[in-house]
Amino acid sequence: DAKTTQPPSMDCAEGRAANLPCNHSTISGNEYVYWYRQIHSQGPQYIIHGLKNNETNEMASLIITEDRKSSTLILPHATLRDTAVYYCIVRASGGNQGGKLIFGQGTELSVKP
Amino acid sequence: DGGITQSPKYLFRKEGQNVTLSCEQNLNHDAMYWYRQDPGQGLRLIYYSQIVNDFQKGDIAEGYSVSREKKESFPLTVTSAQKNPTAFYLCASKVGGAGTGELFFGEGSRLTVL
Repeated sequence: DAKTTQPPSMDCAEGRAANLPCNHSTISGNEYVYWYRQIHSQGPQYIIHGLKNNETNEMASLIITEDRKSSTLILPHATLRDTAVYYCIVRASGGNQGGKLIFGQGTELSVKP
Repeated sequence: DGGITQSPKYLFRKEGQNVTLSCEQNLNHDAMYWYRQDPGQGLRLIYYSQIVNDFQKGDIAEGYSVSREKKESFPLTVTSAQKNPTAFYLCASKVGGAGTGELFFGEGSRLTVL
């Protein structure tokens, strides 16, 4: 699985958009980008994933660059409850490559009033 | 409700003792995973299993053992050979095989060695 690089921490004002970047310059053509978040001392929670196109769901939007070497998770209106560690991972779909899932250090997002 | 359950939530053990952490899921998922998390760190993969009666080592398997005798269960044993077992342990599952299924995590088990 491709290695990802994220900033260790970020701050965001409540009600503003939080934009969390992720670099994955060695991503392969069959690897998806996934985002999870972990609130302190809980299990991580799935947010969103994508391959090439931008994706949006009720939690967030995922913007993937055209060369797929980086992506940005956008929380459109951050709340205090969005304070968490956000993990970006990339993994292949299908067969044995879908098995091993590697998490990096993540970005600790602090949403401030 | 479907989900993944880890037990116990907190566990204390003395040095030299083996301890087994339980992970049960009723999501009918093929693949299951064990991760370890240390304070301020990301998740590190210990073992994973993509199908019953089969499992593979992750990045930090030394001092741990697993079994996968049933689809719904993937217990992790922390043996006395694990040099620094105090950590937060997370179990996860997903639909296996081809496809882009998301990981579902349990609430974790916090192990402290006294």
